[in-house]
Amino acid sequence: NAGVMQNPRHLVRRRGQEARLRCSPMKGHSHVYWYRQLPEEGLKFMVYLQKENIIDESGMPKERFSAEFPKEGPSILRIQQVVRGDSAAYFCASSPGLRTRPSYEQYFGPGTRLTVT
Amino acid sequence: SQQGEEDPQALSIQEGENATMNCSYKTSINNLQWYRQNSGRGLVHLILIRSNEREKHSGRLRVTLDTSKKSSSLLITASRAADTASYFCATPSGGYNKLIFGAGTRLAVHP
Repeated sequence: NAGVMQNPRHLVRRRGQEARLRCSPMKGHSHVYWYRQLPEEGLKFMVYLQKENIIDESGMPKERFSAEFPKEGPSILRIQQVVRGDSAAYFCASSPGLRTRPSYEQYFGPGTRLTVT
Repeated sequence: SQQGEEDPQALSIQEGENATMNCSYKTSINNLQWYRQNSGRGLVHLILIRSNEREKHSGRLRVTLDTSKKSSSLLITASRAADTASYFCATPSGGYNKLIFGAGTRLAVHP
């Protein structure tokens, strides 16, 4: 059973460009979380999605950031018009969900390291 | 604001010694989790302790939880150089299990 997959692992963008980060959850997992980690800091929650639904986006910046988890395909975190302050590691996590069985554990991907030049 | 706050921020020990990291949190929880992150990598789940548990063991790891003090500790016994990593506590929040992480403890174990 493959783990959570994220790509690309490293992404370099110039200021003003768009960044697209992809996350494929573990097989059978229908819940996806995105987190951002600045250097020397802990992870900060951004958004929680289920298939075709955004459940909680309280950690997302109001502008330039968006996320989706379509019926088919990976979850996408999109950052438009990137700025230097967007440089960080972005982690995706998945879990089986709350209805199938109690699962508080989240399984993390290796992260995408975004560098904005 | 941070839910979990770890201390110390950094810890340097010799192989074979024990390492203790502490975490404090602010609101009521139903569980607390510890994760490890090796440099430049993703997070690995170490252990989950529920609010009705006081202590839990997993191999060389021992976690305690004191809900009256809103604090937890992670003890790594007989540390190895491979234990060098950052360790984070995290608590679920908001009813959806979104995790709130502390800033972490950076552990260095020297051979």
